[in-house]
Amino acid sequence: GAGVSQSPRYKVTKRGQDVALRCDPISGHVSLYWYRQALGQGPEFLTYFNYEAQQDKSGLPNDRFSAERPEGSISTLTIQRTEQRDSAMYRCASSLEAWGSGANVLTFGAGSRLTVL
Amino acid sequence: SQQGEEDPQALSIQEGENATMNCSYKTSINNLQWYRQNSGRGLVHLILIRSNEREKHSGRLRVTLDTSKKSSSLLITASRAADTASYFCATRRFGNEKLTFGTGTRLTIIP
Repeated sequence: GAGVSQSPRYKVTKRGQDVALRCDPISGHVSLYWYRQALGQGPEFLTYFNYEAQQDKSGLPNDRFSAERPEGSISTLTIQRTEQRDSAMYRCASSLEAWGSGANVLTFGAGSRLTVL
Repeated sequence: SQQGEEDPQALSIQEGENATMNCSYKTSINNLQWYRQNSGRGLVHLILIRSNEREKHSGRLRVTLDTSKKSSSLLITASRAADTASYFCATRRFGNEKLTFGTGTRLTIIP
């Protein structure tokens, strides 16, 4: 597609429910990133994929968070047993450059705003 | 965790003036990038400067990098109302693809 597409744009859920956030990167983009952004703060790194391989998941807060990118294109970030502290804007970004290129400029999607009640 | 910190946290200037914001970081980097975010929307890449570069220009933007001081500055000349946004620096370390963002500077251009 023309840009990075994220869905849903808004998600309200009750505490304890599982949520899945989807990211459709720019066609042909090799790298895919997930970030979380609290209001008034900079994006906080969660995880990174190079094609379908999850190269870095050091930013995932705990084992309730997981991500996959099975065919090297669309990615899903899943949060199990959501808690109120999980409420935030979740942003996906993709990059044309592959791992090791040293010049990864990110194109961000509009984000998915998650509210846990 | 945030690698970079922008200074000032907020800046208001008159339209037509120049705006300067600074970024400090903690560890050695491969490159540093600046992004803009308008009012809660997605982030847009502005400019990238590599660790072996000292200055770079793009239109009304000028970025400097001082690796000895672990700092960078972004200068926007002849500011316009449309420049009102939050500006973030982001750093990438050698051997690591993770891009770590700073806390941001909120820039307001007064018409």
